[in-house]
Amino acid sequence: NAGVTQTPKFRILKIGQSMTLQCTQDMNHNYMYWYRQDPGMGLKLIYYSVGAGITDKGEVPNGYNVSRSTTEDFPLRLELAAPSQTSVYFCASRYGLTEAFFGQGTRLTVV
Amino acid sequence: AQTVTQSQPEMSVQEAETVTLSCTYDTSESDYYLFWYKQPPSRQMILVIRQEAYKQQNATENRFSVNFQKAAKSFSLKISDSQLGDAAMYFCAYNNAGNMLTFGGGTRLMVKP
Repeated sequence: NAGVTQTPKFRILKIGQSMTLQCTQDMNHNYMYWYRQDPGMGLKLIYYSVGAGITDKGEVPNGYNVSRSTTEDFPLRLELAAPSQTSVYFCASRYGLTEAFFGQGTRLTVV
Repeated sequence: AQTVTQSQPEMSVQEAETVTLSCTYDTSESDYYLFWYKQPPSRQMILVIRQEAYKQQNATENRFSVNFQKAAKSFSLKISDSQLGDAAMYFCAYNNAGNMLTFGGGTRLMVKP
C-alpha cells in the first residue's frame, strides 16, 4: 500500500494562475480531507468528503474547489491563485473514526 | 462550528521529565472523538492518542496519556519520561458527528538534554 499520495511536492504559481493538487489513497478509505498549514500554524480544514460524490466545506473553502468522483481520488482545485494561498497543503484519509493518514504535503508558493 | 484551542504556543521540558500540553474545545455535541497528533520537522502527521467522548476512562498509550474533562471541554496530553525524539509540534484535533476533523493551532515542544 502506498497510503496517501500527493502530487506535486512543490509548486510555484504566478498570481492569477490555476492548478490542481492531486490526492490519491489506496486504502479504500471513505473519508478524505484537504488542509492548509501556514508557517508555524495549525491545520485549517478546506474541504472534506465522506464518500464518492459527497463533498462539504470546511473552515477556509474560499478560493478552492474539490470533487470526489471515485473513492480513491480527491483533487483540490485552485482558481485564480493569490499570494494568500501560499501554504503547505495536506491531504488525509481514513475509514470511519480511525486514525487519519496524511500525505507528505505540497508546498505551494504564489508569486 | 467547532473550535479547538491550544493556549501554549511553545513548551519546554527536560529530558526524562513530564510535561502536559493543554487543549480546550467548544462544541454543543455530546458524542465526538478527540485526537492528539505529532508533527516532527519532517512534516509527517503521526497519531499519538485518541479518546472517545462517551468513555469516562482516560486513554493511555505507553508514555502518553490524556486528561479528558468532558464538562470542562478540556483534553490535555501528558508525556512522561520525555525523550529527545518527542520534540515536535503537537496538535489537538476534534472530530464531530459528521466526521469533520478540525485541529488546534499547535504547541511546539522542545526537549532539553
